Amino acid sequence: DSGVTQTPKHLITATGQRVTLRCSPRSGDLSVYWYQQSLDQGLQFLIQYYNGEERAKGNILERFSAQQFPDLHSELNLSSLELGDSALYFCASSRNPSGNEKLFFGSGTQLSVL
Amino acid sequence: DAKTTQPPSMDCAEGRAANLPCNHSTISGNEYVYWYRQIHSQGPQYIIHGLKNNETNEMASLIITEDRKSSTLILPHATLRDTAVYYCIVKTSYDKVIFGPGTSLSVIP
Repeated sequence: DSGVTQTPKHLITATGQRVTLRCSPRSGDLSVYWYQQSLDQGLQFLIQYYNGEERAKGNILERFSAQQFPDLHSELNLSSLELGDSALYFCASSRNPSGNEKLFFGSGTQLSVL
Repeated sequence: DAKTTQPPSMDCAEGRAANLPCNHSTISGNEYVYWYRQIHSQGPQYIIHGLKNNETNEMASLIITEDRKSSTLILPHATLRDTAVYYCIVKTSYDKVIFGPGTSLSVIP
């Protein structure tokens, strides 16, 4: 158990809908990362937050947004969903935003857009 | 451009050492070599990292060549539970972790 909690584990929805994925980092970790893993794209970095502030941005679509709350949990919002958004979404956390920190990953949310 | 090159797949007999190579010929002096692995659809798991010295922990050993252009991850006694995709990542302290396609390791009974 990595200590990172992601909910829900599975989500099935329809095209055009909006969903929210939730991540609780390990106790004491201030940095949260979101990754998307699809069969054809592999693990893609989406976005990073540190202590409530956006720290780095990757291949995140404009239809997607994220935030980190004062209690350090994070939410990834996906809107106007398309079939191609079906993927595993992972959250990871680390203590600091930089330095030789190892990332601890949650078990992921499997999103299916029908 | 990808910073690392790994073979797409490898097999290893159970109980034998698994040696996973990684080429990173353009590595800079301030870039570290990290290894993560992902067991089927689980979240990736950190294994080990190093700068220029060889490193060992309870999971694996990391051997980095003197010119730092390549490295090898060694799992000393591979078990079936080590079947996974292994990712070699080169990054500075401040870079985000970017995953390539990795090496799919199959441990054969």
